[in-house]
Amino acid sequence: QVQLQQSGPGLVKPSQTLSLTCAISGDSVSSNRAAWNWIRQSPSRGLEWLGRTYYRSKWYNHYAPSVKSRITINPDTSKNQFSLQLNSVIPEDTAVYYCARGTTGAFDIWGQGTMVTVSS
Amino acid sequence: DIQMTQSPSSLSASVGDRVTITCQASQDIRKNLNWYQHKPGKAPKLLIYDASRLETGVPSKFSGSGSGTDFSFTISSLQPEDIGRYYCQQYDNLPFSFGPGTKVDIK
Repeated sequence: QVQLQQSGPGLVKPSQTLSLTCAISGDSVSSNRAAWNWIRQSPSRGLEWLGRTYYRSKWYNHYAPSVKSRITINPDTSKNQFSLQLNSVIPEDTAVYYCARGTTGAFDIWGQGTMVTVSS
Repeated sequence: DIQMTQSPSSLSASVGDRVTITCQASQDIRKNLNWYQHKPGKAPKLLIYDASRLETGVPSKFSGSGSGTDFSFTISSLQPEDIGRYYCQQYDNLPFSFGPGTKVDIK
């Protein structure tokens, strides 16, 4: 049974970096059939896909244009996990952040969600 | 970017009613559309993928149809446990995008 377990702080100061980690059990971050995604939800923006990382003989990353200049998603094969870093956060980045496994474009397994508040 | 719209934004129906939600894409997305159920405090749950395929373990009361730009999602007999918000999501083009959601309540 595949499970995703998120970790990271729930409060980040404006202009600082939001960092979250998603630990994978029951699958591999290096899988040739899955992609590893970050998605957030806020009242103002609804569900918003942020980006993904995946391995197909080499590593690929794709990011949403809305955050492309500020986001990094990295795999960690030694710990079988992947991470999200969002730089220079603003209050509008306040949201529930989810990691999710993608298979052929569908997000079939989700982490438990992390409420992140951007506030001083 | 592909924009997704849904209607209605909310609905209230009686137990046992047939409920239908529509989703429209701003351009042709073939059948590259998924449906999710989202309950408060929980992660979204994949119900339908590829417009009409039922995810493993999902009750057959849920169904989806459509292709191109127009899609629909149906609950054949609404039950109290179906309360939540339902989202469509396209994966034809990056960035992936979701509809604004439809809130489903029991009357």
